[in-house]
Amino acid sequence: AQSVSQHNHHVILSEAASLELGCNYSYGGTVNLFWYVQYPGQHLQLLLKYFSGDPLVKGIKGFEAEFIKSKFSFNLRKPSVQWSDTAEYFCAVNGGTGFQKLVFGTGTRLLVSP
Amino acid sequence: NAGVTQTPKFQVLKTGQSMTLQCAQDMNHNSMYWYRQDPGMGLRLIYYSASEGTTDKGEVPNGYNVSRLNKREFSLRLESAAPSQTSVYFCASSEGGVNQPQHFGDGTRLSIL
Repeated sequence: AQSVSQHNHHVILSEAASLELGCNYSYGGTVNLFWYVQYPGQHLQLLLKYFSGDPLVKGIKGFEAEFIKSKFSFNLRKPSVQWSDTAEYFCAVNGGTGFQKLVFGTGTRLLVSP
Repeated sequence: NAGVTQTPKFQVLKTGQSMTLQCAQDMNHNSMYWYRQDPGMGLRLIYYSASEGTTDKGEVPNGYNVSRLNKREFSLRLESAAPSQTSVYFCASSEGGVNQPQHFGDGTRLSIL
């Protein structure tokens, strides 16, 4: 069965600091990977996605993620965070079953202090 | 452009009561999903509907039933609510292909006393 691990449950950063959130998955076949963000009181929104090709994926709001197949990882990065990035971030994987059924990680709650 | 609409937004039930959570999407998506979100556990799939006329169990289906009423609507029913079902419930939809993102509703916060 597929699973996703997000090891950082809570992260606190100051504005302008760099961000990296870890995501590791377990699945031996072709994967499709996603990062979603949930701002306080809102629904989940897609940040970025990886299906194939360039392993460095750029998303909205200056976020990017790198797929490293050998490490089963898909870490999320941002060079300089803003207070408005305070949110919960979820990594998700779909193991290429021909139908999209996502498995989500437990989430990382990011607090950015001004 | 509403996207995915869930009703109600908040609900308090007593143990043993029943209720139906409603979800509708206006994006002509084939697939729809129900998740529950609990602190420290992320989102867990309750049921999904790959296409109109089909429904399947997800990771945590016990205590729930679903109906795919038509292409637009996918409802989740709690027949006899239990305190363990206190959660935030999200409905989502997608075109269904492996590379298609899911679009989420605003959620229903459900408390069962």
